Amino acid sequence: EVQLVESGGGLVQPGGSLRLSCAASGFTFSSYWMTWVRQGPGKGLEWVAIIKQDGSEKYYLESVKGRFSVSRDNAKNSLYLQMNSLRAEDTAVYYCARDTGRDHAFDIWGQGTMVTVSS
Amino acid sequence: DVVMTQSPLSLPVTLGQPASISCRSSQSLVYSDGNTYLNWFQQRPGQSPRRLIYKVSNRDSGVPDRFSGSGSGTDFTLKISRVEAEDVGVYYCMQGRQWPLTFGGGTKVEIK
Repeated sequence: EVQLVESGGGLVQPGGSLRLSCAASGFTFSSYWMTWVRQGPGKGLEWVAIIKQDGSEKYYLESVKGRFSVSRDNAKNSLYLQMNSLRAEDTAVYYCARDTGRDHAFDIWGQGTMVTVSS
Repeated sequence: DVVMTQSPLSLPVTLGQPASISCRSSQSLVYSDGNTYLNWFQQRPGQSPRRLIYKVSNRDSGVPDRFSGSGSGTDFTLKISRVEAEDVGVYYCMQGRQWPLTFGGGTKVEIK
């Protein structure tokens, strides 16, 4: 079964750091771009970051540039999101999703992990 | 950035009746390869998003044929021919044409 499982969310103080993980199974992870999308409480979907199959290309939402870093370990079938200098507005459910390539049509989504930034 | 504007915000529908959601982009979503990169997602209450339609009108496997996508350039529509109870949720359009990738604000479909 094709599956994505996120972990690593939690409560963190403003200015703190958190590292999210996404474990992939059921497909050839190294063949796909992978992405992170977030959803604030009661809000819509917001794309955050994306990484190419070999990690050679990465793109970010402007508001997270310089604070968030996306990476992957193809040997471990895992995607990561390192989040530093966290702000209250980063509070959201973070989803990882599989990207289908040039059309960036995310066809598989995880269940999400909640990140709360609060003192 | 490409701004995606959906309407209406909320769509109360009677079971068995049709529903239509509009999505407009601030720039053309036609890429140099001739493809138009517009996708539709459904998010049922308490669930993760699920892709319904990609590249304007291609329905995903397992998606009922009462769902259809159409449009071109900057103007797109998601239609549900006969709404069923399981269709309740929020629908989002998303453009894959350029960075940053952007979603519409969502349309909440509910049963009258």
